[in-house]
Amino acid sequence: DSGVTQTPKHLITATGQRVTLRCSPRSGDLSVYWYQQSLDQGLQFLIQYYNGEERAKGNILERFSAQQFPDLHSELNLSSLELGDSALYFCASSPGTGTVAKNIQYFGAGTRLSVL
Amino acid sequence: AQSVTQLDSHVSVSEGTPVLLRCNYSSSYSPSLFWYVQHPNKGLQLLLKYTSAATLVKGINGFEAEFKKSETSFHLTKPSAHMSDAAEYFCVVSALEGYQKVTFGTGTKLQVIP
Repeated sequence: DSGVTQTPKHLITATGQRVTLRCSPRSGDLSVYWYQQSLDQGLQFLIQYYNGEERAKGNILERFSAQQFPDLHSELNLSSLELGDSALYFCASSPGTGTVAKNIQYFGAGTRLSVL
Repeated sequence: AQSVTQLDSHVSVSEGTPVLLRCNYSSSYSPSLFWYVQHPNKGLQLLLKYTSAATLVKGINGFEAEFKKSETSFHLTKPSAHMSDAAEYFCVVSALEGYQKVTFGTGTKLQVIP
């Protein structure tokens, strides 16, 4: 158990809908990362938050947004869903402070999104 | 600029034979390097990390990786493959470029044949 909790485990929805994925980081971790993993695109970094602030952006679509709350949990919002958004969405957390060497990312089990 | 290249998308070995998964990286800064493993329908788990100490790094489940700066490589090895090693392996480079920048490789799927 990595200590990172993602809910829900599975989500089935229709095109055009909006969903929210939730991530609770490991106790004490300030950084949260979101990734998308699909068969055709592989593992893609979406966005990173550190202590409530956006730190880095990857290949995140404008239809997607995220935030990190004062209690450090994070939510990834996906709107106007398309068939191609079907994927595994992972959250990872790390301390976010200290050396890079100590900033190992610990991954949650993922949320599998199916858009029908 | 920072990048990671995993040279093989698929590797197939027989059980009991050595495993070699290749990774080359590029970084303008002194990077840390990691290998993660992902079993089917599971999250990613850290196998091992290089953090500028010993260049030969030992990880879990008998895996090792050697950091070779002159070759900008960080190949993952295991002397004898086990059926449970069948999974996807990701090489990762991380460096402080104003913030902690992390780049994942595209992954190598390891198949172990009984």
